[in-house]
Amino acid sequence: GENVEQHPSTLSVQEGDSAVIKCTYSDSASNYFPWYKQELGKGPQLIIDIRSNVGEKKDQRIAVTLNKTAKHFSLHITETQPEDSAVYFCAASIWGSQGNLIFGKGTKLSVKP
Amino acid sequence: DAGVTQSPTHLIKTRGQQVTLRCSPISGHKSVSWYQQVLGQGPQFIFQYYEKEERGRGNFPDRFSARQFPNYSSELNVNALLLGDSALYLCASSVADSNSPLHFGNGTRLTVT
Repeated sequence: GENVEQHPSTLSVQEGDSAVIKCTYSDSASNYFPWYKQELGKGPQLIIDIRSNVGEKKDQRIAVTLNKTAKHFSLHITETQPEDSAVYFCAASIWGSQGNLIFGKGTKLSVKP
Repeated sequence: DAGVTQSPTHLIKTRGQQVTLRCSPISGHKSVSWYQQVLGQGPQFIFQYYEKEERGRGNFPDRFSARQFPNYSSELNVNALLLGDSALYLCASSVADSNSPLHFGNGTRLTVT
């Protein structure tokens, strides 16, 4: 079955710097890759997603890139702000079965003012 | 619009007891998925339901069961609780069983003593 590895497990940056979180997946059939942000005491919130028919997607300060050949995908946050501090999860699934997401173990991002 | 709502928010049970968790999806969403999130880990898929039918099941024992009602709300039941069942149980909904992203509720925190 699918396995998703996520790195780093913790990341600390200064406000205004960029943050990058990387994930790898094992199942070449996976073609849907969402990213979720989870704040303390809350459920995961979808922040961006990408399907394998595109290599990059951007939404304001957040971007996701996908390398299908290497089975890598990454989250890029620019101009980080203290409110970006949270745990971020990557996930993978087959489009059409995205009720069943396989998640990474998460990255705790701390943005220092 | 209301998001995914789950009840109760917190629950304490004794080993061997049974528990029922409830979920109301976003209005207009017909698919509900259940996930278990152990502290420090990513969510793990338990079940997906669409139009009251089970569409997927994760690697969980038969002590775990679920159902979906005509109004698309759902219940997750866990029998013969074990200490290891202590976790955050997340419900997520999507418009359909395919081609739409998952949106999570804030979860039910279950503690088994």
